[in-house]
Amino acid sequence: NAGVTQTPKFRVLKTGQSMTLLCAQDMNHEYMYWYRQDPGMGLRLIHYSVGEGTTAKGEVPDGYNVSRLKKQNFLLGLESAAPSQTSVYFCASSYSGRGEQPQHFGDGTRLSIL
Amino acid sequence: KQEVTQIPAALSVPEGENLVLNCSFTDSAIYNLQWFRQDPGKGLTSLLLIQSSQREQTSGRLNASLDKSSGRSTLYIAASQPGDSATYLCAVKPGPGANNLFFGTGTRLTVIP
Repeated sequence: NAGVTQTPKFRVLKTGQSMTLLCAQDMNHEYMYWYRQDPGMGLRLIHYSVGEGTTAKGEVPDGYNVSRLKKQNFLLGLESAAPSQTSVYFCASSYSGRGEQPQHFGDGTRLSIL
Repeated sequence: KQEVTQIPAALSVPEGENLVLNCSFTDSAIYNLQWFRQDPGKGLTSLLLIQSSQREQTSGRLNASLDKSSGRSTLYIAASQPGDSATYLCAVKPGPGANNLFFGTGTRLTVIP
């Protein structure tokens, strides 16, 4: 009964370092999403994917890259981390992009950039 | 750009009280609206989804209403319990083909035993 699993749960980076956040879902969902959540702001969409091998930009894509090589996995990369990228990152998935299908969320990755 | 507002940011009520959480949005041309619950250190759990053609949805002690023309939605929680303590978020989907949800910043609810 895993649903959406994010790894790691916590990470501290220094400015300029790179890292990859992993999201895995076991519900055979087509659509996957990466959001960031910052204090005083609603969740904002970074990138999303409508199927294996596809990616698209969301509202705040700058400084991030993504890949969807396998249907069940969606990776979020930070090539050169900046303090402004300190945030809580959430991955979500849905069966399709149709509005009737709810998005299922992981528990988040708390990332601090020093 | 769609803006979603939730007021108040925090709310404390005694156990057993009925309460209403508010969500307002600036662009009434929405496809649907969702209410989510977020527990500390956890992700979001979808509670209710209302299509733009619907006026309300109910699940157990929860009832969500939608007034698209006025840009408002409410989440009614009946007979509140300490286990209802969490942050409640609303999010709107602009259109059927849109992949972006616009989220409010949430209302942090505390139910006091």
